[in-house]
Amino acid sequence: DIQMTQSPSFLSASVGERVTLSCKASQNINKYLDWYQQKLGEAPKLLIYNTNNLHTGIPSRFSGSGSGTDYTLTISSLQPEDVATYFCLQRNSWPYTFGAGTKLELK
Amino acid sequence: EVQLVESGGGLVQPGRSLKLSCVASGFTFSNYGMNWIRQAPGKGLEWVAYISSGSSYIYYAETVKGRFTISRDNAKNTLYLQMTSLRSEDTALYYCARQQVLLDYWGQGVMVTVSS
Repeated sequence: DIQMTQSPSFLSASVGERVTLSCKASQNINKYLDWYQQKLGEAPKLLIYNTNNLHTGIPSRFSGSGSGTDYTLTISSLQPEDVATYFCLQRNSWPYTFGAGTKLELK
Repeated sequence: EVQLVESGGGLVQPGRSLKLSCVASGFTFSNYGMNWIRQAPGKGLEWVAYISSGSSYIYYAETVKGRFTISRDNAKNTLYLQMTSLRSEDTALYYCARQQVLLDYWGQGVMVTVSS
């Protein structure tokens, strides 16, 4: 199985700050990497698919990049509503695997 | 509006069985593959099982293979997860999620608690 390692586990940042979250796969996942946002008590919501494609309705301050085994989610200017846990998901091969998540809080 | 509504959860003793349902509306259910994904309390997400639109392809996580069975009834727009030989580590919020390519819509989840 492909292991997905997210870092950091926790991140505290200020409103307006640029934030970068990382996701590393144990092998090449060919850019089949999606990012989800989960707010407290809610179901996960798809933000970005296939590394760098913004899902419908997602603000442009979110962006993704990466290739091979290393992927990044960037929030260009952190907003209060971005407080959440962010998960990455690899869809390159079964079984699909998620990262353990990065919990993002406001400083 | 796409809606996925899970049901069938609850408190169950170890070793017993439980069947979850996920009723879909707002889209053509028979055109989509479906997944079950779970989240243990305070933990991350774990993919559990997938079934293709016509039930030809089915995949399971190793942690549930041989104990859980995913199925669907396209006439009823309903996805199922039959869970047997339940263990304490199966305690989680179970989500269903549709997939054509992306897992783009998820239900709100149903809680399963395995405890004596």
